[in-house]
Amino acid sequence: ETGVTQSPTHLIKTRGQQVTLRCSSQSGHNTVSWYQQALGQGPQFIFQYYREEENGRGNFPPRFSGLQFPNYSSELNVNALELDDSALYLCASSLGGNQETQYFGPGTRLLVL
Amino acid sequence: KNEVEQSPQNLTAQEGEFITINCSYSVGISALHWLQQHPGGGIVSLFMLSSGKKKHGRLIATINIQEKHSSLHITASHPRDSAVYICAVETCGNDMRFGAGTRLTVKP
Repeated sequence: ETGVTQSPTHLIKTRGQQVTLRCSSQSGHNTVSWYQQALGQGPQFIFQYYREEENGRGNFPPRFSGLQFPNYSSELNVNALELDDSALYLCASSLGGNQETQYFGPGTRLLVL
Repeated sequence: KNEVEQSPQNLTAQEGEFITINCSYSVGISALHWLQQHPGGGIVSLFMLSSGKKKHGRLIATINIQEKHSSLHITASHPRDSAVYICAVETCGNDMRFGAGTRLTVKP
């Protein structure tokens, strides 16, 4: 148990739709990162938020956006879903700053048809 | 060429064997993580290193910053160690780069 939860656990959407995935971090963890893991591949970094501001971003298009809230919850929003967006989406929280252990949630498995 | 390379890709061992998984990276980093991913996707953070060596139970992780290389060792391996082990680095630009993972199977 890492103390990080994600919802929903599974989700099916169709191409062109929008999706919101949610993550609840450990209390006191000011940093949350989101990752996309396609089947059979390693995770890819999407972006990181620190104290509600985007703090770093990987190579993902603007239709991937996020929000972080003061209550240590966060969202990943994906607009105009494409088939290749089908993946496991993981969030991870840490206290803040570099060189902190990250605590991963169980992930949300998204299938885009 | 990936910025984070792991070897081997797949590893099968007998229970009790000593296991080593290697990670090499080519970018500047502020920290390196070893992660364990079980079937179904759950990821557990095993170690975070910026220098030297860390030990937790039967797991040992080392890093050589000059050589840009890290190793994860498992002593007295057990079937419950079967998982994918992922090396991930935090770059100096607040970015994370992941290796492709090493799939470990420990047979009884």
